[in-house]
Amino acid sequence: GQQVMQIPQYQHVQEGEDFTTYCNSSTTLSNIQWYKQRPGGHPVFLIQLVKSGEVKKQKRLTFQFGEAKKNSSLHITATQTTDVGTYFCAGNNGANNLFFGTGTRLTVIP
Amino acid sequence: NAGVTQTPKFQVLKTGQSMTLQCAQDMNHNSMYWYRQDPGMGLRLIYYSASEGTTDKGEVPNGYNVSRLNKREFSLRLESAAPSQTSVYFCASKGTSYNSPLHFGNGTRLTVT
Repeated sequence: GQQVMQIPQYQHVQEGEDFTTYCNSSTTLSNIQWYKQRPGGHPVFLIQLVKSGEVKKQKRLTFQFGEAKKNSSLHITATQTTDVGTYFCAGNNGANNLFFGTGTRLTVIP
Repeated sequence: NAGVTQTPKFQVLKTGQSMTLQCAQDMNHNSMYWYRQDPGMGLRLIYYSASEGTTDKGEVPNGYNVSRLNKREFSLRLESAAPSQTSVYFCASKGTSYNSPLHFGNGTRLTVT
């Protein structure tokens, strides 16, 4: 069945350092979405990537979708304490369901 | 415009008790979902409803039932709660397009003792 793996599970960084989380699917995806969940909160949609090799930026966040549409990454430049939370990727195979990765919990040390 | 509203926010049950988690959305979305979130497991789909009048099993449906009461409401029922169902439950909805984003409720934290 559909599987989306995400690494690392946890990441602790000093404020100002960069952070990257990686997402890999066992099958080719139609698109991939990224969500952020603040501690105690609910997942909130960040962005969607659809095209092979697509790169999108949101301020300090850079999202990439692999050429084969089976992997994706989220890179945060110069982390801030407001970046704390768990980041999830979610793959879509063209049906009505999203398959979530296990998430990467980011801790930013001031 | 409240988005997705879930009740209750917290619940403690004893093994064998039953309860229903309520979810309503005011975005006129066709699709609604129930997920559970456990540490290290991410979000796992329990049941979903692609449109009013239809429901389908997700990844972990055992021990749960759902009802799509109307377009706005999608409830999740635990008939006989078990400690393994201790989790945070999220309801979500999305628009018709397969690549529409999910909108989540604030979650229900359920503890089964």
